[in-house]
Amino acid sequence: DIVLTQSPGTLSLSPGERATLSCRASQSVGINQLAWYQQKPGQAPRLLIYGASSRATGIPDRFSGSWTGTDFTLTISRLEPEDFAVYYCQQYQTFGQGTKVDIK
Amino acid sequence: QLQLQESGPGLVKPSETLSLKCSVIGDSISSGPYYWGWIRQPPGKGLEWIGSIDQSGSTYYNPSLKSRVSISVDTSKNQFSLTLSSVTAADTAVYYCARHVVVVLLLDIPAGRFDPWGQGTLVTVSS
Repeated sequence: DIVLTQSPGTLSLSPGERATLSCRASQSVGINQLAWYQQKPGQAPRLLIYGASSRATGIPDRFSGSWTGTDFTLTISRLEPEDFAVYYCQQYQTFGQGTKVDIK
Repeated sequence: QLQLQESGPGLVKPSETLSLKCSVIGDSISSGPYYWGWIRQPPGKGLEWIGSIDQSGSTYYNPSLKSRVSISVDTSKNQFSLTLSSVTAADTAVYYCARHVVVVLLLDIPAGRFDPWGQGTLVTVSS
């Protein structure tokens, strides 16, 4: 089974700063079907990025995804107050354990 | 705009069967090449895929739950359902339904993204 390891566990930043979240896959499956989700307390996850780098409908362009090999990155260029949340990556049937972005 | 809505009991006794339904609102469950899936999240923990069903009724389950899970679809009601048998406290979680946009099947596991999600329903397993 694929294991997705997200780092860091928590990222403490201020509004306006850049956030870089990492998701490392234990193996390559030959296709980049990695997705990123945002989850706020008491809410369902929301799709942000799919296919490793395509933004979902309605997602602001401050969110971007990239990858190199089995290392995937979600970048939030300038944090807005509403971006403080938990972020999960997902590939295949596996989810990462999440990265919490909180206010410094 | 497509919306999904979970429904079902919020409390299930240990060893009994958990049953949930997901109503698809705003589009036909039969439209498009979509699958329909269930994901759960224990309190304070991460996400776990339970399984998905495709347009033809073929099902795909998480191997760790396969012996206890069943997913079915009722096109006449625009709903799909989840049953999980022999539940224990470890099955206490928020259960989400979602549209599963599958790109490819790899080793009989659907690969794709979940969008959109229902708001989730908390199911507690307790006597």
